[in-house]
Amino acid sequence: GIQVEQSPPDLILQEGANSTLRCNFSDSVNNLQWFHQNPWGQLINLFYIPSGTKQNGRLSATTVATERYSLLYISSSQTTDSGVYFCAVDNYGQNFVFGPGTRLSVLP
Amino acid sequence: AAGVIQSPRHLIKEKRETATLKCYPIPRHDTVYWYQQGPGQDPQFLISFYEKMQSDKGSIPDRFSAQQFSDYHSELNMSSLELGDSALYFCASSDGQGAGELFFGEGSRLTVL
Repeated sequence: GIQVEQSPPDLILQEGANSTLRCNFSDSVNNLQWFHQNPWGQLINLFYIPSGTKQNGRLSATTVATERYSLLYISSSQTTDSGVYFCAVDNYGQNFVFGPGTRLSVLP
Repeated sequence: AAGVIQSPRHLIKEKRETATLKCYPIPRHDTVYWYQQGPGQDPQFLISFYEKMQSDKGSIPDRFSAQQFSDYHSELNMSSLELGDSALYFCASSDGQGAGELFFGEGSRLTVL
């Protein structure tokens, strides 16, 4: 099955800093999503982005499907951005495969 | 906007007992997925349903079963519970298989003592 890798595994930032999270996948995909799991365990949709670039406030994402990677950019980070960021992909199958996640801690 | 509803939110059971989790998808979504997330792990796919038929099966133990009903809600039944079944169980729904955006419920936290 498709393999999904995320980097870095852990990231500690000072409030206000910018960061880039990466998701690599081993095969072509027809769906890719970024999620934020907050400290209460909720999985929050960030982007549905099988290809191209999208922006939503301080967050933006780019997926280069031909090169099998996606990037999530967080600018001017806030303490509420802390949590785990997951990339999930579907390669024309019936389910979504999650990457191992990037654990982000934003310090005040 | 209506979201995916899961119940119960928290559940405590003894070993060898049975548990049932319920999921109500977003209205007009025809596909339901179940995921299991252990502590410090990423969500693992269990099973999915499209138009009330099982569409895919992942790492779901034989002790677990699930179905999707005529009103599109789904139930995950877990029997002979083991300590290792303690986890966060997520339900997600989408409009169409594999092509629509996935939306997750808030999860059901199962603790097996």
